[in-house]
Amino acid sequence: NAGVTQTPKFRILKIGQSMTLQCTQDMNHNYMYWYRQDPGMGLKLIYYSVGAGITDKGEVPNGYNVSRSTTEDFPLRLELAAPSQTSVYFCASRRQTGFETQYFGPGTRLLVL
Amino acid sequence: DAKTTQPPSMDCAEGRAANLPCNHSTISGNEYVYWYRQIHSQGPQYIIHGLKNNETNEMASLIITEDRKSSTLILPHATLRDTAVYYCIVRVGDSGGGADGLTFGKGTHLIIQP
Repeated sequence: NAGVTQTPKFRILKIGQSMTLQCTQDMNHNYMYWYRQDPGMGLKLIYYSVGAGITDKGEVPNGYNVSRSTTEDFPLRLELAAPSQTSVYFCASRRQTGFETQYFGPGTRLLVL
Repeated sequence: DAKTTQPPSMDCAEGRAANLPCNHSTISGNEYVYWYRQIHSQGPQYIIHGLKNNETNEMASLIITEDRKSSTLILPHATLRDTAVYYCIVRVGDSGGGADGLTFGKGTHLIIQP
């Protein structure tokens, strides 16, 4: 299993541009998550999904959108990028049942200039 | 979820046991203690979790005090590859927990010295 994969690894955006961060998991997990991590800080939850067609806001959803059309994929969309969205973005997944063992992807480093 | 308190940084000599403390004095009876770590520039990695009994796996041991207000993660023979930020997270277990994500604080930056 590849686990959780994310693309791209690194991206530079200009202010006002848009992009989609891709996340795919091959573990058949129902629950998926997007976090962001600013330098020297812990992770903050942006959005999460409990299954295809179901998403919900986390702690810091403003400026982002998500969709979940399949169990495997959970893309994160940035509309009108701002410097405040410069961060490292991590996608994670876990089983619906069982303990809170989340599996994280390698992250996408985003720089907005 | 109950709040946790961890020291911002710790040093440990290579080959020695690394003991990372975590305070969670407001923990509820149905909340578990989870430990994750994040090696530089990588995604967090699950280490271990426990409710009230001590737990051990191939990575670490978790010691939870009898009153459950604090815990210690033990890496028995630390190596340079264990240098990372370690997060202690308190979370309701699956039977009562929701689907929303984990709450990460700033964790403890453990530096293993050669």
